[in-house]
Amino acid sequence: EIVLTQSPATLSVSPGERATLSCRASQSVGNFLDWYQQRPGQAPRLLIYGASTRATGIPARFSGSGSGTEFTLTISSLQSEDFAVYYCHQYNDWQTFGPGTKVDIK
Amino acid sequence: QVQLKESGPGLVKPSQTLSLTCTVSGVSIGSGGYYWTWIRQRPGKGLEWIGYIFYSGPTSYNPSLKSRVTISVDTSKNQFSLNLSSVTAADTALYFCAKGARGMDVWGQGTTVTVSS
Repeated sequence: EIVLTQSPATLSVSPGERATLSCRASQSVGNFLDWYQQRPGQAPRLLIYGASTRATGIPARFSGSGSGTEFTLTISSLQSEDFAVYYCHQYNDWQTFGPGTKVDIK
Repeated sequence: QVQLKESGPGLVKPSQTLSLTCTVSGVSIGSGGYYWTWIRQRPGKGLEWIGYIFYSGPTSYNPSLKSRVTISVDTSKNQFSLNLSSVTAADTALYFCAKGARGMDVWGQGTTVTVSS
């Protein structure tokens, strides 16, 4: 099973600042990786698929990069609605999710 | 606009079978081209992939659950379903259905299932 590790577990950021979230895979997943945002009490929302392609309707402040075992989700300027938990998800070998990074208000 | 909605019992007894249905609107499952996925989230925990079904029937299941999981599709009702047998308290979770297998772009709101006698 491919294990995804996300860091940090919690990221405290002020509105307007940049947030950088990391996802590391225990073995290469190519670019078969997505990012999801989950706000409290809501279902997850697809942000990025194929490691770097923004999903429909996702603002340009969200960007994804990486391949192989190292991936990054960047939020260029945090808005109030961006404070949430973010999960990476690989689908190269079966499917697994990372444990999540909580982005909260500093 | 594609929408998904989960339904099923909120309480299941240990050792019984958990059965959930996801009703799809806005797109015909039988029209093809999409995978349909079940995911769960245990209380206070992260997301766990359960499995998916392609519209024509092929399935893929989480190896850790494979012996207990069946996902099926009913194109006449535009629904797909999850059966999880021999449940224990560890199966208590919020269960989501979603469209897609890679890049799940539409999700249901989720339904909570508690396993308890």
